Amino acid sequence: DVKVTQSSRYLVKRTGEKVFLECVQDMDHENMFWYRQDPGLGLRLIYFSYDVKMKEKGDIPEGYSVSREKKERFSLILESASTNQTSMYLCASSLGRGGDGYTFGSGTRLTVV
Amino acid sequence: ILNVEQSPQSLHVQEGDSTNFTCSFPSSNFYALHWYRWETAKSPEALFVMTLNGDEKKKGQISATLNTKEGYSYLYIKGSQPEDSATYLCAFSTSGTYKYIFGTGTRLKVLA
Repeated sequence: DVKVTQSSRYLVKRTGEKVFLECVQDMDHENMFWYRQDPGLGLRLIYFSYDVKMKEKGDIPEGYSVSREKKERFSLILESASTNQTSMYLCASSLGRGGDGYTFGSGTRLTVV
Repeated sequence: ILNVEQSPQSLHVQEGDSTNFTCSFPSSNFYALHWYRWETAKSPEALFVMTLNGDEKKKGQISATLNTKEGYSYLYIKGSQPEDSATYLCAFSTSGTYKYIFGTGTRLKVLA
């Protein structure tokens, strides 16, 4: 019973391409998040959304944008991919504030060449 | 800047060994502490959510304790098995916030 689905497990893109990473959840969660995970740095928040069409910057938003047109879908956009955006990208969702816990997708490993 | 630290960064143990990891977090404005297990090629899986000082939680051979006054949590694995090999993440949240602050994780390898 998959609850948070990321569209691709592995992705290879060229420098300068516009890249879309899609995330869909079926739990009717209000909040959705995009993180990237790099060795030795842990999970770093890129953007999050607490409602449809609402978005807030996380800790490392530069070079990224997001879209949330429907409650269940949260897209991460790399406007012009660069090699330093090679990383593991994790999507997560949660119901409320603070203590409810995240449900994660299985991640997208993006390589920019 | 809120910071969450985990130690050790990685460790290798033999099957049957017991082990423990530490998560340190800011002791002010605490709301919840979360533990996740992240196996390779899978989604991070929630293990525990801990909210009260002195909380102890248990799931099979894995248990966790919480000290909010001094800002740390321990995760224990009794009798490690190869299937316990994973990265263990902790995350800290403050009251009224949507987002969690994650530690860098402890990577555990259990050797058969």
